[in-house]
Amino acid sequence: NAGVTQTPKFQVLKTGQSMTLQCAQDMNHNSMYWYRQDPGMGLRLIYYSASEGTTDKGEVPNGYNVSRLNKREFSLRLESAAPSQTSVYFCASSSNANTGELFFGEGSRLTVL
Amino acid sequence: GQSLEQPSEVTAVEGAIVQINCTYQTSGFYGLSWYQQHDGGAPTFLSYNALDGLEETGRFSSFLSRSDSYGYLLLQELQMKDSASYFCAARGSTLGRLYFGRGTQLTVWP
Repeated sequence: NAGVTQTPKFQVLKTGQSMTLQCAQDMNHNSMYWYRQDPGMGLRLIYYSASEGTTDKGEVPNGYNVSRLNKREFSLRLESAAPSQTSVYFCASSSNANTGELFFGEGSRLTVL
Repeated sequence: GQSLEQPSEVTAVEGAIVQINCTYQTSGFYGLSWYQQHDGGAPTFLSYNALDGLEETGRFSSFLSRSDSYGYLLLQELQMKDSASYFCAARGSTLGRLYFGRGTQLTVWP
């Protein structure tokens, strides 16, 4: 039972490079999310997708794009990485039930030099 | 906007009881969740309150007062393994969308 799987787990980029973080869930959940976590800042929502085919901006969307490829997969793309995007990125999913429960992946640790 | 306030640190000894408070200001509110995160790990769900009152799950309980925009997480019979960060998260106007507080670092001493 994999749950939410993120790749890669670690990545080092140079300023201006691009990359895509991949996320897949096997729980048949409708909603998926991308958060970033910085020391002392908690988790901040970048983008979310309430259902397949829809995406919406969260609190800190600038510098990111997302794709909800299908119900299982939700990718996050950095087109031109900046040092301010050094962070731990978490993908999460939820069933849309009224539980307030998100299932998180193990995180992707990104460093931009 | 959304704003959730919780203490940055709490310490306690094994076997004790600790309460972590959370106050929130959100444009829409459907409920309050609590998550636990150990160093280097993923956040894991602990509880969710949609209605006022106390929800109990084993050693952990969570409380919500909508009229006071306030909730808390109560941890009883503390164990060393409870040392972690705890986050409150408000469910906003969009289904499932959660706004997180900055987290409370709980340290449990032997």
